[in-house]
Amino acid sequence: DAGVTQSPTHLIKTRGQQVTLRCSPKSGHDTVSWYQQALGQGPQFIFQYYEEEERQRGNFPDRFSGHQFPNYSSELNVNALLLGDSALYLCASSKWVLTGVNQPQHFGDGTRLSIL
Amino acid sequence: EDKVVQSPLSLVVHEGDTVTLNCSYEVTNFRSLLWYKQEKKAPTFLFMLTSSGIEKKSGRLSSILDKKELFSILNITATQTGDSAIYLCAVEARGTYKYIFGTGTRLKVLA
Repeated sequence: DAGVTQSPTHLIKTRGQQVTLRCSPKSGHDTVSWYQQALGQGPQFIFQYYEEEERQRGNFPDRFSGHQFPNYSSELNVNALLLGDSALYLCASSKWVLTGVNQPQHFGDGTRLSIL
Repeated sequence: EDKVVQSPLSLVVHEGDTVTLNCSYEVTNFRSLLWYKQEKKAPTFLFMLTSSGIEKKSGRLSSILDKKELFSILNITATQTGDSAIYLCAVEARGTYKYIFGTGTRLKVLA
């Protein structure tokens, strides 16, 4: 049973460029969240997708956008890259539960993005 | 503003020692608190706590939540070098879908 998979594992870009990161959720999961983890910090919530819609967004500018596909996979797009966007980008998936306690989010290995 | 604070920031112990990691939180409409272990890359799930006073246990790891005092602890007994990692605490609030993470505790276990 494959867990959360992310691609690519590493990426080097220059300031002003655009990047697309990809995520396939764990089998049976329908919800995908994206987090940014800077060095020495905990993950910061970017946004969550469910039923192909952005359901909630964290405190990130519009340069960060996303998409969820019918097969539940997701993309994170970042435009006009800044040096400060250098970080580990983590994707997490879960199964949405209407009532009761939500299931824990399962994380992928992340994409290490470096901006030169 | 919702926040999660972990302490200590880092810890160095020897194999066989017992460690206690702390997580305090301020969040509106608390729903659950989660512990994750992060070695090189993916945070891996350890525990989810929703009720006060009920200890969750998995092998040498255990955790408990105090909703009155707004904190949780993660205990690791008989530590091994494989326990070396960053331990992350996260809180989920009702009506939201995001986890709020602390900065983590970096644990190093020496042989």
